[in-house]
Amino acid sequence: GQNIDQPTEMTATEGAIVQINCTYQTSGFNGLFWYQQHAGEAPTFLSYNVLDGLEEKGRFSSFLSRSKGYSYLLLKELQMKDSASYLCAVKDSNYQLIWGAGTKLIIKP
Amino acid sequence: IAGITQAPTSQILAAGRRMTLRCTQDMRHNAMYWYRQDLGLGLRLIHYSNTAGTTGKGEVPDGYSVSRANTDDFPLTLASAVPSQTSVYFCASSDSQGGDGYTFGSGTRLTVV
Repeated sequence: GQNIDQPTEMTATEGAIVQINCTYQTSGFNGLFWYQQHAGEAPTFLSYNVLDGLEEKGRFSSFLSRSKGYSYLLLKELQMKDSASYLCAVKDSNYQLIWGAGTKLIIKP
Repeated sequence: IAGITQAPTSQILAAGRRMTLRCTQDMRHNAMYWYRQDLGLGLRLIHYSNTAGTTGKGEVPDGYSVSRANTDDFPLTLASAVPSQTSVYFCASSDSQGGDGYTFGSGTRLTVV
């Protein structure tokens, strides 16, 4: 079966750095996405990785290792508004997105 | 403002009733999707459409039907609602099978009683 694993919840302090991990087992791989979802709102696109390595976009970076079936989202200089759920999703061989259950990130002052 | 519009925003529905959730996009995206999101679970794909005139079944299609008569509209119908269909429903679209992210509508919160 296909599976995306990520921690259910994480807590971090404002101004700090946090890394949210995602491991996956899917039938084929055509890219990995990270989305942010604030409570009661729709998911919004953060990043896309299809090749191994680090993609940096402002305070957010995403890393991919296809051989390990592993990705992480790195958030720097945390702000209170970063409190949200972070969803990892993998596009499989049929170009369908397989979603993780999401990691709820709680930021404390 | 370009994006996806879903209606209604929320609905309480009696079990056994028929309901259509509306989804319209103005980005001329080829592909559209319907997901349900339940607490503790990831987004689960109900139905999808890669282009106007075609549809396909996702992970949890039972009890739902869709149509794609044109590029912009992708309604989701519950023929006879059951309480297990209580969920938040998101419509999404994308313009290719490549790296572009999906754009999501704001969601419909449906409660079946």
